[in-house]
Amino acid sequence: AQKVTQAQTEISVVEKEDVTLDCVYETRDTTYYLFWYKQPPSGELVFLIRRNSFDEQNEISGRYSWNFQKSTSSFNFTITASQVVDSAVYFCALSDGNTPLVFGKGTRLSVIA
Amino acid sequence: NAGVTQTPKFRILKIGQSMTLQCTQDMNHNYMYWYRQDPGMGLKLIYYSVGAGITDKGEVPNGYNVSRSTTEDFPLRLELAAPSQTSVYFCASRRPTPRGGEKLFFGSGTQLSVL
Repeated sequence: AQKVTQAQTEISVVEKEDVTLDCVYETRDTTYYLFWYKQPPSGELVFLIRRNSFDEQNEISGRYSWNFQKSTSSFNFTITASQVVDSAVYFCALSDGNTPLVFGKGTRLSVIA
Repeated sequence: NAGVTQTPKFRILKIGQSMTLQCTQDMNHNYMYWYRQDPGMGLKLIYYSVGAGITDKGEVPNGYNVSRSTTEDFPLRLELAAPSQTSVYFCASRRPTPRGGEKLFFGSGTQLSVL
């Protein structure tokens, strides 16, 4: 069975600090896909990134970066120089491609001005 | 583009009432999903569909029913509402690809309270 663990329930940082959100996954499949979604206070779910199991290159997009390590089954998300607008719940999710996404419980990030 | 549209946005039900949450998408996506989100619990899959006429249970299907008569629509039916069904419901869709793994497009959610 597939499983996603986000051990950090809530994180609070001061604006401009860097913060890393952890995601550990379990799967028996050799082909799988990992996702991060953001849920701001308004409630909608915003897609951030998708990574397949064959691509372990780290990804950077502006202040966001993702570190995918198959050896530790982790797909961590770092926000550099955090801003108040980054305050949200962040979800990590996993799929083998054909099965529905399995979500972690989410990490609530609060960025304080 | 409308994307995935859910109605209503909010609803209060009394115990034992029934209702249908509507979901429609205009992207011609074959795959559609219903998730529920409870505080601190992430999103749990209720039902999903890989195409018109095909539906399957997810992790938490009890108390719900779905149908998929068209590609566009995927309504979720609650029969005999219970307080345990108080939650935020999200509908989502994605396009089919040979290897899968496509991102989901989500609706804006329906906040349901059963009192």
